[in-house]
Parts: sequence; structure tokens; C-alpha cells
Amino acid sequence: GEDVEQSLFLSVREGDSSVINCTYTDSSSTYLYWYKQEPGAGLQLLTYIFSNMDMKQDQRLTVLLNKKDKHLSLRIADTQTGDSAIYFCAESLNTGGFKTIFGAGTRLFVKA
Amino acid sequence: IAGITQAPTSQILAAGRRMTLRCTQDMRHNAMYWYRQDLGLGLRLIHYSNTAGTTGKGEVPDGYSVSRANTDDFPLTLASAVPSQTSVYFCASTPGGGSYNEQFFGPGTRLTVL
Repeated sequence: GEDVEQSLFLSVREGDSSVINCTYTDSSSTYLYWYKQEPGAGLQLLTYIFSNMDMKQDQRLTVLLNKKDKHLSLRIADTQTGDSAIYFCAESLNTGGFKTIFGAGTRLFVKA
Repeated sequence: IAGITQAPTSQILAAGRRMTLRCTQDMRHNAMYWYRQDLGLGLRLIHYSNTAGTTGKGEVPDGYSVSRANTDDFPLTLASAVPSQTSVYFCASTPGGGSYNEQFFGPGTRLTVL
């Protein structure tokens, strides 16, 4: 089946690293994504990784993909109060057409 | 500024009333989507359209209908609103045609059905 799971809440102190985890069930994923949703706004793509990659780094963001365990993580280094938001994990599936499955979102609280 | 606009921003509606949420994009994207966002449930797909003139049902289509008369517009209609349709509704679009499927989201419509 198609399912993407994430924990609902994460709280960190400003300056620490945040690690948001996600598991997915469908092995036909082509791309996996992290979206960020700030209060009162729509989702915006933060970063993505192609399914044949293990890691992608983009400034303070590091994405790790373990295809064997179907596990995706997003690490935010030196977390700032402006990083407080909801982070959604998502996967693109090749099912004839391409569809995207979103997780429920992880709400990140950053304490000053 | 290119992107997706949604209207209204928010609405309070009496149960049983008909309501159309509007969505317009100016990026010439082929595919468009309607999601509802509820606490703890994330985003659930209501309806989608892969290209103008076609539509399809998502995960939670009951009580909603859509049309796609042209590339830019993708309205969502609640024929007879019920309180369980209280939610935040997001419209999204993608260029389509490939496995990389970044979705571009509108700012959302907050709907309350009393």
C-alpha cells in the first residue's frame, strides 16, 4: 500500500540540530521531498532527493535516504526560531501517472 | 507575480449551502490538485486534474466536485456543505509530464461549516 508516516511533534533548542524522520511503504518511489509550511501559508518545497541517492546536502539541510529500510530524514543544522513550521515528507510514485503521497506533517518547535 | 491564487481566504458557511472555492494559476501547469488539511491527518487529496478537460477522484472526493474548463482555473464546489467539511483547503499545481513532481501550493482557504 501507499503510506507515509512521520511523528507529529519535535521540540529543539535554538542552535541545536533538528532531525525529522519519515518512513514510507511503497518501493516504487521515484523522488522524495520535504515541504515546509509556515503558519497561515501553503506548503513550499524545501528540498528533494532522487530515489537512487543516499544523501543530499543543501546549506543547513541534509537529507538522508535509506532505501532498504524505506526511511527518509531531514536534518536542520543550527536550528533557528525561523525554522519553526510544519515539515511534510512526500513521495512521488510511478503508478501509470505520477502521484504524490504526503505524510501528516511534523510540527517543529524551536525554543529560544 | 507567477503562482497560484485562491479565493476566498476564509469563509463561514451555513450547513446545506452551496459553495465554490476558486483556484487560478498563471504558470501554465498541466496538473492541478485540491487537498484538505486537517490536524493530525496531513494533506488528503480530494480531486485532481492531469490536464484541461480531465478530472479524477482522490482519496476523499465525496461531497465535492471539480471542473477544469481551461488550463488556469480549477474550482472546487461543495454542493451541500456539512460540518465535517470544515477544513483548510489548498489548491496546488505541477507542470506534469515527468517523475519529478514538485507541487506549487496556493495560500489556502479556511472554511468553517456551521
